[in-house]
Amino acid sequence: SAVISQKPSRDICQRGTSLTIQCQVDSQVTMMFWYRQQPGQSLTLIATANQGSEATYESGFVIDKFPISRPNLTFSTLTVSNMSPEDSSIYLCSAVAGAANTGELFFGEGSRLTVL
Amino acid sequence: DAKTTQPNSMESNEEEPVHLPCNHSTISGTDYIHWYRQLPSQGPEYVIHGLTSNVNNRMASLAIAEDRKSSTLILHRATLRDAAVYYCILRGSGGSNYKLTFGKGTLLTVNP
Repeated sequence: SAVISQKPSRDICQRGTSLTIQCQVDSQVTMMFWYRQQPGQSLTLIATANQGSEATYESGFVIDKFPISRPNLTFSTLTVSNMSPEDSSIYLCSAVAGAANTGELFFGEGSRLTVL
Repeated sequence: DAKTTQPNSMESNEEEPVHLPCNHSTISGTDYIHWYRQLPSQGPEYVIHGLTSNVNNRMASLAIAEDRKSSTLILHRATLRDAAVYYCILRGSGGSNYKLTFGKGTLLTVNP
C-alpha cells in the first residue's frame, strides 16, 4: 500500500499568483499522477509525473500553467500558475503501488484551492 | 480509454445488499475493470478490480458478465459509511500507460 500526504490541504489564493502543491508518498512508487476535481464534478487527469523528466500532460493542460516536478520515486509537486477563479478546484495527487499494470491507485486527500 | 456507463444515482437501505451496475460494451480483451469510490471530502479509494473472473475481497465482490460487456459491484451489506460516489473504470494492460479516466460515477445513498 501507499500513504500519500499533500500540502497544503487547502488555501485561499489571489488572482494572478501561483501556488505549489507538494505530494509525498511513504514508499517508492512506480507512477504518480495529478488530477483536478472541479466543484461537483468528477476527476480529470492533468498529467503523469515522470521521474527525472518532463511530465506527460493530458489534452487541455499545458506545462506553462501546471508545471510539475518529480525529482525522485516518492515526491512530486504541482504548481498552479497565474491563477484565476476558474482554477478553484481540488487537486489530487495519486500513485500506483506494486506492478504498474495491475497495481491499485492510491490518492491523497487533495488540496482545495479557492482563487479570489 | 473505453467508455463505461453507470446510473447517476442509486439508493439502498442499511444492511441490505447493493448491486451497482456498469456497462462497458466496447471493452477490449485486455482491459481491466476497476472500481473506486469517493467518500465525501476525501480522495478516491480503490475497491476492487478484475479481468474475466469474478473477484471477492474484504470490501466487495465484482461480478463480470461472460461477454465482459458489463459488470456489477456488489456490497453485501451496505452501511452508512458506504455512501459515496462509485466509479467503474476500464484500464488497458499496457504498463507504461497506467492511467485511469474517471467518468461521472454512481452516487450511492444509504438510508438508515
